[in-house]
Amino acid sequence: DAGVTQSPTHLIKTRGQHVTLRCSPISGHKSVSWYQQVLGQGPQFIFQYYEKEERGRGNFPDRFSARQFPNYSSELNVNALLLGDSALYLCASSSPGTGTKNIQYFGAGTRLSVL
Amino acid sequence: DQQVKQNSPSLSVQEGRISILNCDYTNSMFDYFLWYKKYPAEGPTFLISISSIKDKNEDGRFTVFLNKSAKHLSLHIVPSQPGDSAVYFCAAHTHGSSNTGKLIFGQGTTLQVKP
Repeated sequence: DAGVTQSPTHLIKTRGQHVTLRCSPISGHKSVSWYQQVLGQGPQFIFQYYEKEERGRGNFPDRFSARQFPNYSSELNVNALLLGDSALYLCASSSPGTGTKNIQYFGAGTRLSVL
Repeated sequence: DQQVKQNSPSLSVQEGRISILNCDYTNSMFDYFLWYKKYPAEGPTFLISISSIKDKNEDGRFTVFLNKSAKHLSLHIVPSQPGDSAVYFCAAHTHGSSNTGKLIFGQGTTLQVKP
């Protein structure tokens, strides 16, 4: 089975631009979470979606938004990019309601560089 | 406020010896703890987990110990192998609604296992 897939793998944008990152969860997983990891730090929670509804939001500005589609894939959108948005963006999927509900499985991430 | 802390940025051990990675937390409401391993250019890979109602979980060479009174957990790797060299993240799960929740990560510890 395929794991969590993210696209693109790398992205270079300039300040003020908009970016869309994409994620496909593990087959059968209905929950998708997004994390931001800056160099030298652990991943920081941005959003969680379950059954196409936002179920949690971290301490990020409104420039960050996300959505989940009927096939459980997800997009993370960031508007008005700032230099500080440069980071590795990680998507994780999980299967709430099962014995492994608390385990989140991560994709390889999208490396975003804002110039 | 760093709710999950890994106070050792790096650890170096000899092949065959034990590696002990430590993690402290502040929130007594965390219900599940996980360890992830991360190689460069890859996403975090789930390693082992423990429920807050247990004090030990073992999986092959990996054992996680939880001391709730001290709000401390540790990951033991025995014997350590060069392929274990990676960044290790401790994460705590906090419950949301409807079986959803988020992970709060520590800053990571870089483990180097020398041949």
